[in-house]
Amino acid sequence: RKEVEQDPGPFNVPEGATVAFNCTYSNSASQSFFWYRQDCRKEPKLLMSVYSSGNEDGRFTAQLNRASQYISLLIRDSKLSDSATYLCVVNDLNNDMRFGAGTRLTVKP
Amino acid sequence: NAGVTQTPKFRILKIGQSMTLQCAQDMNHNYMYWYRQDPGMGLKLIYYSVGAGITDKGEVPNGYNVSRSTTEDFPLRLELAAPSQTSVYFCASRTDRGWGTQYFGPGTRLTVL
Repeated sequence: RKEVEQDPGPFNVPEGATVAFNCTYSNSASQSFFWYRQDCRKEPKLLMSVYSSGNEDGRFTAQLNRASQYISLLIRDSKLSDSATYLCVVNDLNNDMRFGAGTRLTVKP
Repeated sequence: NAGVTQTPKFRILKIGQSMTLQCAQDMNHNYMYWYRQDPGMGLKLIYYSVGAGITDKGEVPNGYNVSRSTTEDFPLRLELAAPSQTSVYFCASRTDRGWGTQYFGPGTRLTVL
């Protein structure tokens, strides 16, 4: 079983749609959780951290379910500029970051 | 600040050749990392460093070496290149307390033929 698993997609949605990505992790002792965004042929960049209580940043909402060991990212009112690959990242006890393979999103006009 | 810089951007190597991928950061970060990203796969940690003079292996260190003589620079050496090392290589750095916030360089696309 992969340490961090994501649905690879691609997710093709129209502008204005709401889209949700899920991610599961295998290490129950994982400490902290993040979503990174990676544009085509570019480096990953931190999108947001994921807190136990859930957190929101504009159109983006991240949630964590420790009992089920999954993390989610919800994007509301999708924009063309949201097209990218979204990487789920989990920090384990050694503070090593484990990256999921990413979920590709394409937002179409 | 330039952030994290990497050179070269692209390189084609023949099997058995060697090369050094350069990485530098101007943010005075102690923590630095080397990852590789294969198509459709997540980033895999090759080596990391917690400060000048200190390096340690990550998940996939075989075929690579690193050194960290200064805070700024963290070069990755490939000896005897193999086709399996064809990948995109990213260098990253972070502050001591910034567990989740890694700053990545633009990457080096390496092809071994």
